[in-house]
Amino acid sequence: EAGVAQSPRYKIIEKRQSVAFWCNPISGHATLYWYQQILGQGPKLLIQFQNNGVVDDSQLPKDRFSAERLKGVDSTLKIQPAKLEDSAVYLCASSLGLVGEQYFGPGTRLTVT
Amino acid sequence: AQTVTQSQPEMSVQEAETVTLSCTYDTSESDYYLFWYKQPPSRQMILVIRQEAYKQQNATENRFSVNFQKAAKSFSLKISDSQLGDAAMYFCAYRSRFTSGTYKYIFGTGTRLKVLA
Repeated sequence: EAGVAQSPRYKIIEKRQSVAFWCNPISGHATLYWYQQILGQGPKLLIQFQNNGVVDDSQLPKDRFSAERLKGVDSTLKIQPAKLEDSAVYLCASSLGLVGEQYFGPGTRLTVT
Repeated sequence: AQTVTQSQPEMSVQEAETVTLSCTYDTSESDYYLFWYKQPPSRQMILVIRQEAYKQQNATENRFSVNFQKAAKSFSLKISDSQLGDAAMYFCAYRSRFTSGTYKYIFGTGTRLKVLA
């Protein structure tokens, strides 16, 4: 079966610009996660969706970050405007349900200059 | 608040030998899941092994096993007969159970494992 797809794989932007990341989860997976992984740190959960509803977004910087999962399949994570400290790998993961095993995508490496 | 600590930034092991990666966590919950994830260089993160807190028996997956000490809040990963393909970053992670009402996935900072030929 196809894995979790993410695009783009790499993105370089200047601070104050906007950027969007896309994630396509494994077919049939109801739960989708976005993580931020700063170099040298473990992944930090930003937001978790169950179908098209948000389960947890307590660590999402809502003044600049937004995410949506229209129709409960693909998801987009947006940063507007970007800051230098947003440089990180953004990982998307999906699972069958809230208690299922997470499958991770390859990530998008964002560099903010 | 729950925390996960991996005190070993880097470990090395000789091929075919055994290595143990340490993880401690802090929580006030009684029911939760613990995980070890592997992140090879430039490759996707994959689940290595999981442990449910209410199960006393330590989880085992082929060459990978855990030593789960609930009272001590310790969750170490043992890799037996290490292979070159085991070289990766290993992350310990905590997740509260569904019945807690909220989900919290918390990862440690990782341990880089080097396997020497």
